[in-house]
Amino acid sequence: DAEITQSPRHKITETGRQVTLACHQTWNHNNMFWYRQDLGHGLRLIHYSYGVQDTNKGEVSDGYSVSRSNTEDLPLTLESAASSQTSVYFCASSAGQEPYEQYFGPGTRLTVT
Amino acid sequence: ELKVEQNPLFLSMQEGKNYTIYCNYSTTSDRLYWYRQDPGKSLESLFVLLSNGAVKQEGRLMASLDTKARLSTLHITAAVHDLSATYFCAPLRGGGADGLTFGKGTHLIIQP
Repeated sequence: DAEITQSPRHKITETGRQVTLACHQTWNHNNMFWYRQDLGHGLRLIHYSYGVQDTNKGEVSDGYSVSRSNTEDLPLTLESAASSQTSVYFCASSAGQEPYEQYFGPGTRLTVT
Repeated sequence: ELKVEQNPLFLSMQEGKNYTIYCNYSTTSDRLYWYRQDPGKSLESLFVLLSNGAVKQEGRLMASLDTKARLSTLHITAAVHDLSATYFCAPLRGGGADGLTFGKGTHLIIQP
């Protein structure tokens, strides 16, 4: 069965360190997304990609970057982790056609100390 | 900028009762999605609403979309404990690949 996976599932890091969160999907979807979830804010879009070599900023992209070198993967990098980036991160993907329904990964809980 | 407001944010209700969750959004969007999230889990897709007047039903849940009023509703009929979860509405931001803008979620507790 097709799926979307994230790793690690839990991560503790120190302020200032670079951290990369992995996202891998086997749906062969063109579109991939990264969201963060915080209490009181729901989910907010960080970055998204329409396909290989394409990346776009979402509403809370400062301090984050992504790259898309193949269809299956969209890693999220925190260049210099800050305590404000402690959150649960969800990756999602959707097909490049209607109904654009997004399927979510299991999430990564990141703690920055 | 698309803004999404869900009401209520917290709801405690008894089994067997009916209730409606409201989702208002600020700018035109003709695609809206409802998700369910259980504590500590990921998001599960419930409904995909693709046009004005769309209505979808699954078991005790029914969702509708009024794009002119920029309003979607999620109606719960004869609630049961298993429906306890957080429910999110999310209209599409722009084109199909532009991502979703989520409401803050409605935390629903259904008590026996």
